[in-house]
Amino acid sequence: EVQLVESGGGLVQPGGSLRLSCAASGFTFSSYWMSWVRQAPGRGLEWVANIKHDGSEIYYLDSVKGRFTVSRDNAKNSLYLQMNSLSAEDTAVYYCASLYGGFDPWGQGTLVTVSS
Amino acid sequence: EIVLTHSPATLSLSPGERATLSCRASQSVSSYLAWYQQKPGQAPRLIIYDASNRATGIPARFSGSGSGTDFTLTISSLEPEDFAVYYCQQRSNWPWTFGQGTKVEIK
Repeated sequence: EVQLVESGGGLVQPGGSLRLSCAASGFTFSSYWMSWVRQAPGRGLEWVANIKHDGSEIYYLDSVKGRFTVSRDNAKNSLYLQMNSLSAEDTAVYYCASLYGGFDPWGQGTLVTVSS
Repeated sequence: EIVLTHSPATLSLSPGERATLSCRASQSVSSYLAWYQQKPGQAPRLIIYDASNRATGIPARFSGSGSGTDFTLTISSLEPEDFAVYYCQQRSNWPWTFGQGTKVEIK
């Protein structure tokens, strides 16, 4: 069964940092582009970042460029999102997803709350 | 940035009825458009990719059409489990963007 499981979310103060992880199983992780997508409470979906299967290409949403870093470890079947200089606008459920036609499948998400 | 606009915002229908959801792009996205279904408290699920291709495991009652700037998701006969929010998403230009969604609710 294809599965993506995010972890690492939580409450963080403005200006703080958090590292999200996404553990993949049930498919050849190293063959797929991977993405992070977020959803603010009660709001729509927002693409955050993409990383190519070998990490050689990375794309970011402008509002997170310079603050967020996406990376992957194909040996560990894992995707990461390092988030620095967090602000209230970054409060959201963060989903990882593989790219196959579209974002497919998705993890269950991990909630990041930025608040003092 | 490409803006995707859904219409209508809310669709009130009964089970068994046909649902027609529209998504309009602010500029051409060719056929690089996907549709997702999201139920409360759940992650989104891919329904259609590249405008008209059903994702794995998606029932045949779901179909997508369109190209350029105008796209349609059709659910031929609504089942109880189809009542949800549907989002379109483009991957033609960076940044990839989503529409704000159409809520399909039970009438």
